Amino acid sequence: NAGVTQTPKFQVLKTGQSMTLQCAQDMNHEYMSWYRQDPGMGLRLIHYSVGAGITDQGEVPNGYNVSRSTTEDFPLRLLSAAPSQTSVYFCASTPQNGGGYTFGSGTRLTVV
Amino acid sequence: GNSVTQMEGPVTLSEEAFLTINCTYTATGYPSLFWYVQYPGEGLQLLLKATKADDKGSNKGFEATYRKETTSFHLEKGSVQVSDSAVYFCALMAEGGSEKLVFGKGMKLTVNP
Repeated sequence: NAGVTQTPKFQVLKTGQSMTLQCAQDMNHEYMSWYRQDPGMGLRLIHYSVGAGITDQGEVPNGYNVSRSTTEDFPLRLLSAAPSQTSVYFCASTPQNGGGYTFGSGTRLTVV
Repeated sequence: GNSVTQMEGPVTLSEEAFLTINCTYTATGYPSLFWYVQYPGEGLQLLLKATKADDKGSNKGFEATYRKETTSFHLEKGSVQVSDSAVYFCALMAEGGSEKLVFGKGMKLTVNP
């Protein structure tokens, strides 16, 4: 199994540009989440989804959009990139029974 | 709201030393508790978990016991190895099926030969 696959691994954006971070899982997990990791801050939840067609905001949702048209895919869109969005982004999924999240390997994003 | 407080480090130990990483939480009811590990350049991996009071999670020589009375989930290993060098995160998932993880800030551990 591939698990959770994130693309790209690295990205540099200019302020104001938009882009989509891709996330796909092949484990048929119902729940998927996006986190950002910043030094000294741990991981903070951006958006999450409990199933196809259902999404909700996490702790730091501003500047990001998500959609969940299929169980497998959960893309994260940056609408107009800002330097404050420079971070490492992780996608994760878990089955509904709370067995524990499986994380992707991350996307390191730099906004200049 | 729910929160996790853990030792932040960084911590440097010699190989075969004893490791304890403290973790306490604030949450109502009985959350599930987790330890995740992040090796350099990688994503997080689930190390161990406990879902009810007095449960002990264990994996790769690491252990943690869910203590409801002290709202704690301290991580221990009796003899660390160089390969244990990583960042360790304590996390909770609130009771009730929200499936949202709340993380501590993480602790970087370096083990020297």
